[in-house]
Amino acid sequence: LAKTTQPISMDSYEGQEVNITCSHNNIATNDYITWYQQFPSQGPRFIIQGYKTKVTNEVASLFIPADRKSSTLSLPRVSLSDTAVYYCLVGSSNTGKLIFGQGTTLQVKP
Amino acid sequence: GAGVSQTPSNKVTEKGKYVELRCDPISGHTALYWYRQSLGQGPEFLIYFQGTGAADDSGLPNDRFFAVRPEGSVSTLKIQRTERGDSAVYLCASSLMPGNSYEQYFGPGTRLTVT
Repeated sequence: LAKTTQPISMDSYEGQEVNITCSHNNIATNDYITWYQQFPSQGPRFIIQGYKTKVTNEVASLFIPADRKSSTLSLPRVSLSDTAVYYCLVGSSNTGKLIFGQGTTLQVKP
Repeated sequence: GAGVSQTPSNKVTEKGKYVELRCDPISGHTALYWYRQSLGQGPEFLIYFQGTGAADDSGLPNDRFFAVRPEGSVSTLKIQRTERGDSAVYLCASSLMPGNSYEQYFGPGTRLTVT
């Protein structure tokens, strides 16, 4: 079973900031938090990964509170091309497999 | 550079037949993974290799499924006596090293349809 809970779907409009929150109450000390994005007919693509506090890269930010029981993916100023499924995953550096849940389907409208 | 490639992109087979799905990982990546994705679901882990050996095959659904990576590069997923329930997209991924701290690079998948 996936170790994370996230909304099934979200709607947004172009230019808005989108925040997707993921719950992972049973996260272990060795677990990392990773987000992947998947477009139709493509394999998932890595977006961002963090362990604690805040991580930012050229496409997104990841906010992780001190207790690490949740995390928030922030997408600044989304465009239509950001319409995709976003997966939140937790897993340790000791295991290779990724455990995916159903993900959040983000629909960006014009 | 070249990403992960998978062949064929589509495969239609009859129930009971044998199929092989191929994955070419990114050069130099020691870890290779197979996942299966059904419509509307997230990918489901099947097996992963560290080098030539299967490090974790806990996701293989039954003994009809088998995978090899004889030279530590290309991998083949083999399905015997296919069933209609095997219809799905089979995804392959590779990473520099195993472990969730390493980014996995996914291929486009092979869509398998069992009629």
